Formats: sequence, C-alpha cells, structure tokens
Amino acid sequence: DAKTTQPPSMDCAEGRAANLPCNHSTISGNEYVYWYRQIHSQGPQYIIHGLKNNETNEMASLIITEDRKSSTLILPHATLRDTAVYYCIVRGPTDSWGKLQFGAGTQVVVTP
Amino acid sequence: DGGITQSPKYLFRKEGQNVTLSCEQNLNHDAMYWYRQDPGQGLRLIYYSQIVNDFQKGDIAEGYSVSREKKESFPLTVTSAQKNPTAFYLCASRETGKYNQPQHFGDGTRLSIL
Repeated sequence: DAKTTQPPSMDCAEGRAANLPCNHSTISGNEYVYWYRQIHSQGPQYIIHGLKNNETNEMASLIITEDRKSSTLILPHATLRDTAVYYCIVRGPTDSWGKLQFGAGTQVVVTP
Repeated sequence: DGGITQSPKYLFRKEGQNVTLSCEQNLNHDAMYWYRQDPGQGLRLIYYSQIVNDFQKGDIAEGYSVSREKKESFPLTVTSAQKNPTAFYLCASRETGKYNQPQHFGDGTRLSIL
C-alpha cells in the first residue's frame, strides 16, 4: 500500500466548507484514493474515491492534484454531524480488501 | 435504502456461552467480511467470504465461526473458545467486479462480557 499522511486534527465552523488534505507522494498509477470517516461508536462510512479526475457525490468532493501526490476532501457545508475521524487511504489491484487499515486519520470537529 | 444492517447493536455474553452476530446486506455484493476493532487499534480480519457457501479464515479466526448460506447474510458466531471477545465487531461488503470498488461497513455490534 502507498502510505498516506494526514493532519491529526482540524476544526471547522458549521456551515463552512471543510477542506481535508492528504499526502500520498508514493502513489502508483493504478492506485485509487479513498476517503472514509468514522463517527464515534459507529462503523466506518465510505465517502468517495477517485483515480486522477476530480470526483463529486452527494456527500463530498475529491480534488486530486495533477501529479496525484496529494488530494483534498471537501465537505461543502459542514454540519455538526460531520464531526468524525476522516481517513484517506490508497489501494491498488494487488491490495487485499481484507487487509484494510485506516491509519490515524484526521479528527474533524465541527463547531456551532 | 441499500445498506448493511448489523444486529444487535449491543450484546452481552456470559461465560461458556456462544453468541451470534447478524449481518445482512441488500447491496447485492458478492464479498462479505467480519472485522474486530479494539480501542486504539485498527481493523483485524476475522473471516471473509467471496461467494455463497464459501468462506476463508482471516488473521484472527480462532474462537469464531461463520456461515454464508445466502448472498445477503453472513452471521458471525463468537464461541466460548474466544477468551477475549469484548470488542466492536464490524461487518463489511463489497462488489468484486472491479478492484476499485470500495468496501462498505455496517454500524457495528459492541460485544461485552457479563
């Protein structure tokens, strides 16, 4: 697996956009970037994934730099329910999903 | 809504007792997984199944058993042989058609010892 680096924590005001960075400088050409989050006492929730193009769904947007060495998850209008630990991982065709590991992630706290 | 349903949310086990955790998915996913998550630790794979009537041991299968009689169901039994069963148990599933398909998780079952 390519390694990822995320800031340990960040705060965001309710209603504002939250921009979560992730560095993955050793990513390979066929590895995807995935974002999950885990709210306290709940299971991990899949958010979005992408290869090289920017992606958007009902939850978030994923912006991947042209060199693919970093990406940003954007929560457009953060709510209190978005308080969670956010995980950025990269996975390719040889990575077993049974060996999924999230790392430390970014603790996001959304404040009123 | 499509998703993964785990039940119960909380479960208590007595000494010598077997307990079964339920996992049902209506996502039509082929692969299903059981993980254990302990405080401050990552996910550890217990069992996984790629297809109905077939399953494989993960890294910590001792003291656990599973079945996969239906595509949508993958129950986990924690047997009395599992000496340290207190943990947060997570069920997951994914479509296996393409390698980039993500894994989806249920909301977990928290098992404690009485």
